[in-house]
Amino acid sequence: DAGVIQSPRHEVTEMGQEVTLRCKPISGHDYLFWYRQTMMRGLELLIYFNNNVPIDDSGMPEDRFSAKMPNASFSTLKIQPSEPRDSAVYFCASTPGGNTEAFFGQGTRLTVV
Amino acid sequence: SQQGEEDPQALSIQEGENATMNCSYKTSINNLQWYRQNSGRGLVHLILIRSNEREKHSGRLRVTLDTSKKSSSLLITASRAADTASYFCATGPAGGTSYGKLTFGQGTILTVHP
Repeated sequence: DAGVIQSPRHEVTEMGQEVTLRCKPISGHDYLFWYRQTMMRGLELLIYFNNNVPIDDSGMPEDRFSAKMPNASFSTLKIQPSEPRDSAVYFCASTPGGNTEAFFGQGTRLTVV
Repeated sequence: SQQGEEDPQALSIQEGENATMNCSYKTSINNLQWYRQNSGRGLVHLILIRSNEREKHSGRLRVTLDTSKKSSSLLITASRAADTASYFCATGPAGGTSYGKLTFGQGTILTVHP
């Protein structure tokens, strides 16, 4: 397996634009996580899914953020409209079961200008 | 808020020395994990210790867990310049509606000088 695949690797967008980040988890993994990493706030859990169902979205900062997992092999994180304070590295991770080792993608570095 | 908090925030040592990082957490856990992150890359899993375990080894890594104090430590022995990275602890809850949730601490930045 190629591991967790995220796209794009880098995204630069203007304030107010819609941004969509994509993630393909490892095949057979039941859990998928979205994290955001910044210098100020560290690694924050935004939302996680179990079997494509969102379990906890309490980390999603505001209504501008939304995440979907339409099937077991694909998830998106959308920001609309984007703001400069959304600039961060966004990571997707998957695990084969609850409370097991997480496998991370390489991240998407988002810059909102 | 972060479940785990690492200490120290930064650690600078010479090659060959041992490096010890600590993690404290707040709620009951099923397990505690340690990850490594090289600059600009994704996190890589190092070791997992379950709540009923007290110590675990993997190569040059030694992890301890004290559930009564809600704390863990990661020891890297005979450090190498290639060990330079950020190290994070992560906790998985004991159960309930948050089962499977993996929450990370702020991390310790380790610099090993050749």
